[in-house]
Amino acid sequence: NAGVTQTPKFQVLKTGQSMTLQCAQDMNHNSMYWYRQDPGMGLRLIYYSASEGTTDKGEVPNGYNVSRLNKREFSLRLESAAPSQTSVYFCASRGNQGASEAFFGQGTRLTVV
Amino acid sequence: AQRVTQPEKLLSVFKGAPVELKCNYSYSGSPELFWYVQYSRQRLQLLLRHISRESIKGFTADLNKGETSFHLKKPFAQEEDSAMYYCALPDTGNQFYFGTGTSLTVIP
Repeated sequence: NAGVTQTPKFQVLKTGQSMTLQCAQDMNHNSMYWYRQDPGMGLRLIYYSASEGTTDKGEVPNGYNVSRLNKREFSLRLESAAPSQTSVYFCASRGNQGASEAFFGQGTRLTVV
Repeated sequence: AQRVTQPEKLLSVFKGAPVELKCNYSYSGSPELFWYVQYSRQRLQLLLRHISRESIKGFTADLNKGETSFHLKKPFAQEEDSAMYYCALPDTGNQFYFGTGTSLTVIP
C-alpha cells in the first residue's frame, strides 16, 4: 500500500539549476497538492490540482511550475532554483468529499546553494 | 487570506500534565477541520477530524462555532506526544490550508 510517493528524498542544487520533484498516488484521488514547509511558517500551499488536467496557484506559487500528468502523477518544477527555495517539500492527495483527509508523501529536503 | 490560526509556535508541558493546542479558523459556512501530527522528520499523518468525533491517542478536539475554534486537548501528556501539530481546513475550492503549526515538547 504505497499511498503517496515522492522522489527524490534529498537534493542539493546550485543557484540557477532546474529540477523536477515527482509525486505519484495510488488511491485514485482527484486532488493533489504541493506544499513547502519552513520553520515558523508551517505548511504553505504552492500549487494544487483539483482534477486531472487542471492546476491552480496556491499561496506561494512564484518560482514554481506544476504538471498534472495524469490522475496519478503531479510534478513540481523549479526552473531556476534560488536559495530562498531551500525547504522541505511535501506532496499530498485527497478525495473530493469535504471530510476527506489528505495523505502525504515522505517529503523532499531541498537545499539550494 | 489566513484561514487557520495557531497562536502558539512552541508549547512545553510536563509529562502527565494536561495539554491544549489552540486552533482558530475563519470560514463562512460549516467548516471541516482536521488535526495532523508530524513526528520528527516523518510525513504528516492525520490525528483526528471533527466530523468523526473520535479520540485518537487520547487526543480530542471539539468544534466551537461560537468561538470559531477547534482546540486539541489531552488530559495527560506523554513523552511520545512530542511532535509538530497542524490544524487544517479545506475550502470549497478544493484548497487545503494548514496553520503555522505548534511544536509540542513533553518534558519527562
